[in-house]
Amino acid sequence: NAGVTQTPKFQVLKTGQSMTLQCAQDMNHEYMSWYRQDPGMGLRLIHYSVGAGITDQGEVPNGYNVSRSTTEDFPLRLLSAAPSQTSVYFCASRLNEKLFFGSGTQLSVL
Amino acid sequence: KQEVTQIPAALSVPEGENLVLNCSFTDSAIYNLQWFRQDPGKGLTSLLLIQSSQREQTSGRLNASLDKSSGRSTLYIAASQPGDSATYLCAVLNRDDKIIFGKGTRLHILP
Repeated sequence: NAGVTQTPKFQVLKTGQSMTLQCAQDMNHEYMSWYRQDPGMGLRLIHYSVGAGITDQGEVPNGYNVSRSTTEDFPLRLLSAAPSQTSVYFCASRLNEKLFFGSGTQLSVL
Repeated sequence: KQEVTQIPAALSVPEGENLVLNCSFTDSAIYNLQWFRQDPGKGLTSLLLIQSSQREQTSGRLNASLDKSSGRSTLYIAASQPGDSATYLCAVLNRDDKIIFGKGTRLHILP
């Protein structure tokens, strides 16, 4: 089992560019989520999904889109990147009440 | 709105000492509380999960306690080692199925 895999590990964007952060898990977990981690702010929930075809907003959803066409994949899309989206992004899946995290994507928006 | 607080934000302790990390939460209506470890540049790894009906959980040198009525949890690390240096985060699972994280305590074990 690879667990939760995130790509890329690092990304630099210019303001206004779009990109997709990839997240895949091979544990057949129904629940998947995206967090951002900022200094002094802790982890904040962006979007989450309780199963294929179902997504919902978290605490800080603005500027981000998600979709869940399969159980395995939960991509996070930035449609028009802004400097305020510079952060470390973590994808996590959940089984029962236990969270399993990917290793993160460090994103810089210039 | 649930708020999770971890104090102190940073802690340095000589190797071999026992130590306690603190976590408090404002709404006691939780399903469980989880402690995580985060190494620099890495994701979070779950250490211990305590159900709301439990008082404590143990794994090796780690012991986590939960006092739901007072909104407090502690993570006790026995005989600390340099390899324990990391950031430790606690998180609660709310009744609305949302997981709320504290900001973490950065622990540095001095050799």
